Amino acid sequence: GAGVSQSPRYKVAKRGQDVALRCDPISGHVSLFWYQQALGQGPEFLTYFQNEAQLDKSGLPSDRFFAERPEGSVSTLKIQRTQQEDSAVYLCASSFNAGDDGTDTQYFGPGTRLTVL
Amino acid sequence: DQQVKQNSPSLSVQEGRISILNCDYTNSMFDYFLWYKKYPAEGPTFLISISSIKDKNEDGRFTVFLNKSAKHLSLHIVPSQPGDSAVYFCAASASTGNQFYFGTGTSLTVIP
Repeated sequence: GAGVSQSPRYKVAKRGQDVALRCDPISGHVSLFWYQQALGQGPEFLTYFQNEAQLDKSGLPSDRFFAERPEGSVSTLKIQRTQQEDSAVYLCASSFNAGDDGTDTQYFGPGTRLTVL
Repeated sequence: DQQVKQNSPSLSVQEGRISILNCDYTNSMFDYFLWYKKYPAEGPTFLISISSIKDKNEDGRFTVFLNKSAKHLSLHIVPSQPGDSAVYFCAASASTGNQFYFGTGTSLTVIP
């Protein structure tokens, strides 16, 4: 069966450019999460959706980061005016249940490696 | 402030022997713990989990032990196989929230 897919797999942007990263969760999964993984670090939470509702965006590092999931399926993470410190792997994960009790297993996509020059 | 810590960045083990990966956490609200395995250029893959109501969970060659009083968990792999070579992330969450908090990972190399 299809897992979580992300595109593009690699993205190189010049400083100041806007980028959009796409996530296709597992079909039927209610919850969707975005994580940022810097080199040598573990994934760090950015934001969480339950269907189309963004219930937690406490991990977004600045107002240059914006995420949406308008139809409760595909999600897009947008980064405006990219900076070098935005260079990281951006991981998307989905889980079947509502995910609001912290115990539902999250299934990860392969990630998008963003490099800002 | 890192709430989940994996203090060993790397570990090498001979094929057939036991691999023990360790993880410590600081937040007493954490009550659900997971291990993920990650190969290069792939996303983390769920391996095994444990709830705080248990102190051990076993799945084939993989066993996770939880010591709540010490705020410590470990993953045992026995016998270790070369295909187990990967980066292993420990993660924790609280039933009152929705985030997973990850450690920095331990790179396991199983030597044939």
